[in-house]
Amino acid sequence: NAGVTQTPKFQVLKTGQSMTLQCAQDMNHEYMSWYRQDPGMGLRLIHYSVGAGITDQGEVPNGYNVSRSTTEDFPLRLLSAAPSQTSVYFCASTERGNTEAFFGQGTRLTVV
Amino acid sequence: GENVEQHPSTLSVQEGDSAVIKCTYSDSASNYFPWYKQELGKGPQLIIDIRSNVGEKKDQRIAVTLNKTAKHFSLHITETQPEDSAVYFCAATSDYKLSFGAGTTVTVRA
Repeated sequence: NAGVTQTPKFQVLKTGQSMTLQCAQDMNHEYMSWYRQDPGMGLRLIHYSVGAGITDQGEVPNGYNVSRSTTEDFPLRLLSAAPSQTSVYFCASTERGNTEAFFGQGTRLTVV
Repeated sequence: GENVEQHPSTLSVQEGDSAVIKCTYSDSASNYFPWYKQELGKGPQLIIDIRSNVGEKKDQRIAVTLNKTAKHFSLHITETQPEDSAVYFCAATSDYKLSFGAGTTVTVRA
């Protein structure tokens, strides 16, 4: 039972580099989302998707892009990494509204 | 948007004692209030949730209460054990976009 799988687990980037954080779920959930976790700030919503082909911005979308070409995958792209994007990133999926969100193990990203 | 505040930020309890974490929310449209537990190096995991049509819910040593009028909800852990040491997050939503509190680091002393 894989659930939500995120890769990579750790990543170090130089300022200005781009990269894609991968997220896949095998539960056929419609809703997927990306959060970032910073000390003392809880988890903040970056982008979310309510189904294949549909994405929208969350609370802190600047500097990130997403796409949802399939139900299973929801990659997060950093266009030009900045030190302020150093954080732990979590992907989550939800079957429908107001139900349990399942989180991946996280990606710890450091931008130097 | 929704704003969730969580207190305290850290909580140290003696094994066997109770722990209480409190949250307030701002959006009266919120109707689903989950609590997540995050262990070191892992993603958050749901431990209990409550919906707006219920005032209290219990699952073994864990209970959650909700006061919609005052817009606050609380997590109660009784008979704490070392494995309860973790970071706990409250959240609120009216759909599927969760708004999280800042988290409470709970340490259970042996």
